[in-house]
Amino acid sequence: AQSVTQLDSQVPVFEEAPVELRCNYSSSVSVYLFWYVQYPNQGLQLLLKYLSGSTLVKGINGFEAEFNKSQTSFHLRKPSVHISDTAEYFCAVTPTGGGNKLTFGTGTQLKVEL
Amino acid sequence: DVKVTQSSRYLVKRTGEKVFLECVQDMDHENMFWYRQDPGLGLRLIYFSYDVKMKEKGDIPEGYSVSREKKERFSLILESASTNQTSMYLCASSLAGGYGYTFGSGTRLTVV
Repeated sequence: AQSVTQLDSQVPVFEEAPVELRCNYSSSVSVYLFWYVQYPNQGLQLLLKYLSGSTLVKGINGFEAEFNKSQTSFHLRKPSVHISDTAEYFCAVTPTGGGNKLTFGTGTQLKVEL
Repeated sequence: DVKVTQSSRYLVKRTGEKVFLECVQDMDHENMFWYRQDPGLGLRLIYFSYDVKMKEKGDIPEGYSVSREKKERFSLILESASTNQTSMYLCASSLAGGYGYTFGSGTRLTVV
């Protein structure tokens, strides 16, 4: 079984500042990793994913994430946030061997302030 | 773009009612999923299906059932709604694991 930990339930940040949202996972098998974003009153939208290859993954809206196998982490970063980035962000994993069930973290609410 | 459509955005039902939440996807995905989302708990898997007429229990199936008679449609059924089933319900579909999910907009269900 897999588990995902998002230690920060809320992250306040000023506009144009950098941000990092932390994600750690636990799994006995290899996994694919995902970040999703949820804007208010909407479903989840795929931000980026790591399947294999380069450990630095770029996604939509200027976000990127780095897979660190030794630390079992997949932190999400953006060098300069905008008000419109205010949303909830979810990290998720699924085993590479099939099954396709995603296990989600509890989410991090990013609040960008002026 | 793949589209996943959930029939209702907001729903209010009475305790004890039988409730149907409908989800339709338009890209011939084999896999479909139902999650519920609650503050501080993230998304929890209720049921999923890898093929027509196939269903498997997720992590919290109690009080729910599902139906998948056609590939594009996956219905979640609350047999006898209770107040602790007040939640946001999210449907998703996908191809194989590496593609991730496409989510619907969600149904916010309130049971009174």
